[in-house]
Parts: sequence; structure tokens; C-alpha cells
Amino acid sequence: AQTVTQSQPEMSVQEAETVTLSCTYDTSESNYYLFWYKQPPSRQMILVIRQEAYKQQNATENRFSVNFQKAAKSFSLKISDSQLGDTAMYFCAFMPGGTSYGKLTFGQGTILTVHP
Amino acid sequence: GAVVSQHPSWVICKSGTSVKIECRSLDFQATTMFWYRQFPKQSLMLMATSNEGSKATYEQGVEKDKFLINHASLTLSTLTVTSAHPEDSSFYICSADRPVAGANIQYFGAGTRLSVL
Repeated sequence: AQTVTQSQPEMSVQEAETVTLSCTYDTSESNYYLFWYKQPPSRQMILVIRQEAYKQQNATENRFSVNFQKAAKSFSLKISDSQLGDTAMYFCAFMPGGTSYGKLTFGQGTILTVHP
Repeated sequence: GAVVSQHPSWVICKSGTSVKIECRSLDFQATTMFWYRQFPKQSLMLMATSNEGSKATYEQGVEKDKFLINHASLTLSTLTVTSAHPEDSSFYICSADRPVAGANIQYFGAGTRLSVL
């Protein structure tokens, strides 16, 4: 079974600054996918970014980028130029590529507050 | 973008009654949908995987007779909480699976808050 750990229950950052959210995971799978989802106060889950484990290049989406360290089983999210709208709970998630393909395992979440 | 609609957004019911929650993929077909449960300020826990035209697959510890799942079409899955009790009060979220650029992405509904009195 896979486990996903987010060790930062809460984080805060000033508007326009950069913040990094941590995530580690444990798996015996060789093929898998990693995701970051955000859940704003509306509670609508929104996909932020995804990473395929077989790709060495770190994924980026505008102000969001990841630092994927496969050997260390680490998948951190960097948010640059933080905006007030980035305030949300962020979940790191793991999806295996084998027979359990499609099942997401979520971390505990990190509440991010962006201050003006 | 992919849109998943979940209805109702909030339901209050009396103990012992049944409640049905609908999850629809509005602009794509979803062979597979998922149902999650989330407690306040906690993570999402997968309850079951709903497959169109076949029985749902339940996670360990989830009572399949209490949480009935039906995936009758490629755009609709329903979760029925039968004989609801106060301990079933929670936030229920569905997601629909869509292939995007070689990988499956789950798109989520806005969730349903269930309050059982």
C-alpha cells in the first residue's frame, strides 16, 4: 500500500513571495503519477499540477512548479509570486500505474494562507 | 475544461432516512468515477470505485449495503446513503476519471455536505 505524508499542517506566506510545500511518499511501484490538488474554502478540488514518475523533468504550470526527487520519494510544490487566491488547503496525491491505476491516495493536506 | 457536477450541495435529513447524491460528468464520458468522504480539515478518504455497467469496488471498512453506488451511464454515478445516522454526517465528494495526454486525471465535483439529525 502507498502512503503520502505532508509534514506541514499549516503554512503562511506574504503576497508576492514564494512558498514551498513538502510531500513525501512511500511505494514499491515503479510506474506511478503524482499530483498536487488545491481545495479553496469553496471545497472544490482543483488540479494544480501533475508529474509522471518516468519523466525526469520537473513539471511546471505558470507560477507552480514541483521538485520531484524520485530516489528520495519527495515531491514538493513551489508557488512563486503568491496571490491571495492561492489561499487553500493543498493535497499531495499518489496514483499507481499498475492494477490499481486510477486510485488516488492523498496526503493529510497543508493549509496555506497568503497574507496581503 | 472538464466539468463534474454534484447534486445536492447540502442535504439535511432525519435519522433512518436514505439520501441520494448524484455525480455527473457534463462534458466527457467517464467509465470510472470515485466517491470520497472528507471530515473537516482532514484528507479525502476513498470509499469506492464506481465502474459503468458493473458493481462498485469498495475500500476496506466501507459498508457496501449502507453506501449503495450505481453507475448506470457513462455520465452519471449515484451514491445512496441508506438508513442514515448522525455518524454518517460528513462531506462527500465524487470525481470522474478522464484520460488526458496519456494519463488519467480525476476531476472533482463540488461536494455534498450531509447532515443527519
